Amino acid sequence: DIQMTQSPSSLSASVGDRVTISCRSSQSVHSYLNWYQQTPGRAPKLLIYSASNLQGGVPSRFRGSGSATEFTLTITSLQPEDFATYYCQQSYVTPHTFGRGTTLEI
Amino acid sequence: EVQLLESGGGLVQPGGSLRLSCAASGFNFPNCAMSWVRQAPGKGLEWVAGISGSGGDTDYTQSVKGRFTISRDNSKNTVFLQMNNLRADDTAVYYCAKSMLYSIRSQWGMDVWGQGTTVTVSS
Repeated sequence: DIQMTQSPSSLSASVGDRVTISCRSSQSVHSYLNWYQQTPGRAPKLLIYSASNLQGGVPSRFRGSGSATEFTLTITSLQPEDFATYYCQQSYVTPHTFGRGTTLEI
Repeated sequence: EVQLLESGGGLVQPGGSLRLSCAASGFNFPNCAMSWVRQAPGKGLEWVAGISGSGGDTDYTQSVKGRFTISRDNSKNTVFLQMNNLRADDTAVYYCAKSMLYSIRSQWGMDVWGQGTTVTVSS
């Protein structure tokens, strides 16, 4: 199975900040890398698919980049509703493994 | 409205069985691969199983192979997860999720999720 490593595991930030979350895969997943946001008690929400494509309805302050084994999620100008847990997931080969998550805290 | 509604969760003893269902609406169901993703209490997300749009291709995470079976009924817009020989470490919220493409192999991600159904394996 492809291993997904996210860093950091948690991150403290303030409203208006710019933050970056990294995700590394144990082998190339080309551009088959997705980012999800999850708030407590809720289902995950797709933010970015295929490394850099913004899912419909997702604010443009979310940006994904990278390819092969190194990927980044950047959130510019944090809003209160952005404080959540973020997961990367490779969808290149099954099983479509997730990273362990990054919790973004105030 | 695009919607997924899971059912079938509950409390089961170790070694027991459960069948989860996920009813889909608002999209062309046979055109989309479907997956089950679970989340153990306080833990991260784990992709459990996936099935192609036709149902002809399936795959599983290693820990459930031989115990879980994913299937779908395209005439009823429903996907199922049959879980046998359940273990304590199968305890989790199970989410049904719609994939953006037909195949389960190289995918664009899961763009619609159900609200989840809770499975508790305990004596």
